[in-house]
Amino acid sequence: KQEVTQIPAALSVPEGENLVLNCSFTDSAIYNLQWFRQDPGKGLTSLLLIQSSQREQTSGRLNASLDKSSGRSTLYIAASQPGDSATYLCAFSPWAGGGNKLTFGTGTQLKVEL
Amino acid sequence: KAGVTQTPRYLIKTRGQQVTLSCSPISGHRSVSWYQQTPGQGLQFLFEYFSETQRNKGNFPGRFSGRQFSNSRSEMNVSTLELGDSALYLCASSQDRNYGYTFGSGTRLTVV
Repeated sequence: KQEVTQIPAALSVPEGENLVLNCSFTDSAIYNLQWFRQDPGKGLTSLLLIQSSQREQTSGRLNASLDKSSGRSTLYIAASQPGDSATYLCAFSPWAGGGNKLTFGTGTQLKVEL
Repeated sequence: KAGVTQTPRYLIKTRGQQVTLSCSPISGHRSVSWYQQTPGQGLQFLFEYFSETQRNKGNFPGRFSGRQFSNSRSEMNVSTLELGDSALYLCASSQDRNYGYTFGSGTRLTVV
């Protein structure tokens, strides 16, 4: 069974700082990995999708990496802004099964302060 | 391009009642999956429908059920509501898992 842990659980940083969010998983048999953000009481917004064969993906100030051998994915946010404040979730789609079933991490609650 | 639409946004129900939630996926997406989010358990997979057939199922009791229509719209039903069913229910649609998943804004269910 896939276990997904995100560290830290909460993070507070000043505006402009570069930061890294971590996601650890126990089963390397993943199909792909997706990072989401969630604003309070809202749905999930997709940020980046990394296929199993890829090492990283970039979108604007965001960069996500995937290292299956170590069971880790990281989300790098450059030059953080108050609008980045949200909960960030990583989610895995497994190789087995073929269907759409995501296993989510525990989330990192980020607060970017002025 | 319209996103994933979930209705209603908020619901308040009494214990023992039943409830039906609706999800309209992005046009062309045939897969619809449902998730329950609670502060204690986080996001948990309920089930997935593809072309009107349940393709995957999570570890939830039989009180939780769903269906999908020929236009890919999906409904989720919870019978005999319990206080612990209070949660944010999220629906996600996908064209193919190679392209990832798009989530709706969710339905906030409160059971009193």
